[in-house]
Amino acid sequence: DTAVSQTPKYLVTQMGNDKSIKCEQNLGHDTMYWYKQDSKKFLKIMFSYNNKELIINETVPNRFSPKSPDKAHLNLHINSLELGDSAVYFCASSPFSSVTTQYFGPGTRLTVL
Amino acid sequence: SQKIEQNSEALNIQEGKTATLTCNYTNYSPAYLQWYRQDPGRGPVFLLLIRENEKEKRKERLKVTFDTTLKQSLFHITASQPADSATYLCALAGGATNKLIFGTGTLLAVQP
Repeated sequence: DTAVSQTPKYLVTQMGNDKSIKCEQNLGHDTMYWYKQDSKKFLKIMFSYNNKELIINETVPNRFSPKSPDKAHLNLHINSLELGDSAVYFCASSPFSSVTTQYFGPGTRLTVL
Repeated sequence: SQKIEQNSEALNIQEGKTATLTCNYTNYSPAYLQWYRQDPGRGPVFLLLIRENEKEKRKERLKVTFDTTLKQSLFHITASQPADSATYLCALAGGATNKLIFGTGTLLAVQP
């Protein structure tokens, strides 16, 4: 049983397009996250939602818009894609707590041409 | 600004030896620190968590130390195996939002 799943696994698109990545967790967690891992493997938090409410927004360009229809899903929509958006995007989830571990999805490799 | 540094070079060791990975941080007072493992093409997987008031934590062949004075954590894998080869990430956190700040990672290669 997959705990945190993402679709698609790979996404190749042209500059200027709009795309979405979907994330679902079946762990019953309250909190979900989006991370970006660049070509140097540096993993950086972008957003976090707790029970559908935005709690972390790390000065990400407003072309990136997370949407949480319910606490088991957190989707990431990206408008007007740029070359610099190419990266691997990871979704994660955790129970809501000040001390807890995070469970990561398999990642979505986005390539912008 | 906050900075987290791990061994910048890949770490190559012989099977059976102890691997020691370093995580140093500045301009931060984390409430706790975590270590994750990441294999190529996969998401990070949690290994160990240590709180600021703990000196050491163990789990099977893994050991983590946390020195808040030196602002350093050491991650040890004893009796290393080729299957331990992966990138290891340290992550610091503090505050109510559980925001994790990751280090740059260390690539460990265990040679048979």
